Order: sequence, then structure tokens, then C-alpha cells
Amino acid sequence: AQRVTQPEKLLSVFKGAPVELKCNYSYSGSPELFWYVQYSRQRLQLLLRHISRESIKGFTADLNKGETSFHLKKPFAQEEDSAMYYCALGRNEKLTFGTGTRLTIIP
Amino acid sequence: GAVVSQHPSWVICKSGTSVKIECRSLDFQATTMFWYRQFPKQSLMLMATSNEGSKATYEQGVEKDKFLINHASLTLSTLTVTSAHPEDSSFYICSARDPPGGRYEQYFGPGTRLTVT
Repeated sequence: AQRVTQPEKLLSVFKGAPVELKCNYSYSGSPELFWYVQYSRQRLQLLLRHISRESIKGFTADLNKGETSFHLKKPFAQEEDSAMYYCALGRNEKLTFGTGTRLTIIP
Repeated sequence: GAVVSQHPSWVICKSGTSVKIECRSLDFQATTMFWYRQFPKQSLMLMATSNEGSKATYEQGVEKDKFLINHASLTLSTLTVTSAHPEDSSFYICSARDPPGGRYEQYFGPGTRLTVT
């Protein structure tokens, strides 16, 4: 069965410092991986997907099949990045979510 | 962008009663909707996949007779928690898939907080 692990429940980073949110997955097939974000008092929304190889709001994530990881990175944190971040794996048109990491940017 | 609404946003009911939660796609037609449950400080757990015009597909361990799902139209899916008990208290979130966005493009509702007393 597929599994998504986000080892950090809480992460605090100073404004302007680099951010890395970790995500590891276990899945025997070819994964489709996503990062979702939930800002305070807002609904869950898609941040980025690995297949697009895009940068959204300065965030990027690279799929590393050897390490089965899909870490989310941003070189310079901004206060508006404070939110809950979920890594998700897509399989059979369903999403399996990790437990999430609450990112707090310290001014 | 695509918008999904849920109603009610919160509900309190007595043990033994049933409660219905609605999920609507406001500006697109969703042949597939998903129902999730989220416990405090935990992840979203997929409960079932709701397909318009057919029976819902439930995940392992989810009681289909307790959590009745109806997807009667392309814009509405409902989740009815029957004979609710305090352990059913949770945050229920629906999502709808917008096909042009790809098979994993899901738009989420704001969630419904259910408290069973």
C-alpha cells in the first residue's frame, strides 16, 4: 500500500532563510506527487505537482525516485508562507495525504 | 478558479440522530467527488469516492451503511451520517474533480465540523 510520510509536524524558519519541507513516500509504481497548502482559515489548495516541474510562489519540489522523496523547497522564506503543507501521492485517481507540516515564518 | 462549497459549515447533533452534509461544485460539473475525514492534528483520510449516477466506492474500514453518500447530480454530492455517535465527531471535507485539470486535480470545500453530543 502507498504511504506518505512528513517527518516534521512543526517547522519554524526565519524570514529570508531557506525552507525545506520533507516528504517521503512508499509506492511500488510510478508515483504522481503533489504539494497542497492550507493557509489560515482557508481551504486546502493545490500548490504544485511534480509532473509540471513548475515553481509556484517561489516553491519547487523535485521528485527523487532513488530516495523516494519529494521535498518542498524555497530559497527565501516570506511571512505569507506560514501555513499547513501536505504532501500527497496520487494513485488510481485518488490522493493519499501525509500528516502535514505546519510552517511558521518568524519575522 | 473552480469553487466547491459545503453546507453546513458546522453542525451539532444529538447521539442517535442523522445529519446530512452537502457538497456543491459551483462553477463546474464534477462527475467525481471525494469525501474525507480529518481528525485534529491529523491528515485527511479518504472515506469514499462519489460518482454521479452510480454507487459510491468506500475505502476499507469505512462503514457504507453509516456514511451514506448520494451523488444525484453533476454539481451535488451529499454525505449522511446515520445514527451519529460521539466518535463520529470530526471535520468532514469534500472535494470535486474538474476533469480538464487532470485526473488528480481536486478542488476542496471549506469543510464541515460535526459535533455529536
